[in-house]
Amino acid sequence: GAVVSQHPSWVICKSGTSVKIECRSLDFQATTMFWYRQFPKQSLMLMATSNEGSKATYEQGVEKDKFLINHASLTLSTLTVTSAHPEDSSFYICSARDIGQASPGELFFGEGSRLTVL
Amino acid sequence: DAKTTQPPSMDCAEGRAANLPCNHSTISGNEYVYWYRQIHSQGPQYIIHGLKNNETNEMASLIITEDRKSSTLILPHATLRDTAVYYCIVRVIGQAGTALIFGKGTTLSVSS
Repeated sequence: GAVVSQHPSWVICKSGTSVKIECRSLDFQATTMFWYRQFPKQSLMLMATSNEGSKATYEQGVEKDKFLINHASLTLSTLTVTSAHPEDSSFYICSARDIGQASPGELFFGEGSRLTVL
Repeated sequence: DAKTTQPPSMDCAEGRAANLPCNHSTISGNEYVYWYRQIHSQGPQYIIHGLKNNETNEMASLIITEDRKSSTLILPHATLRDTAVYYCIVRVIGQAGTALIFGKGTTLSVSS
């Protein structure tokens, strides 16, 4: 099946630094990718929709200047957590849909990236 | 998208069938039922989806009631590796560019 890869799978950083997480579709193209975050013992919460070649759409309550999203190509979206703080520590997950797949199709998810801010 | 209701947790003995219910009484005619699962510290994994007919694949079977207000995911022979949180999600047909919205899901614990 289709594969979505995230990198890094885990990262530890100091408070105030920025961290970039990559999401790649390995064997398909995706015009749209989605970013979620998940706190311990909670469900996935949608943060933003990443659109290739245009600005991302953020969910209510998600700061666009703090969580920078870039969708530079049909196979890569990046999420940058700027000036990270301990409360940003979370499990970040991306998902994507193969544009060549017939509707409604399925969304494929990455393995997740665990961010710990000290 | 229609809201879904699932029991918070279920237990199942290894080798037995696991039947996970989902209520989606406000589902619209243009909404599919999707099932995903998330094993601890991993990304969600697609299991199956359906509109109104029952569906089966190598992982599971999906039984949707005739009025489409509820469905059941069946894992025919549960194994310890099936221990995970199972999410039932309804999603509008044609909205291929929209995200899946996750509820709290059902935590399935399979024991030997």
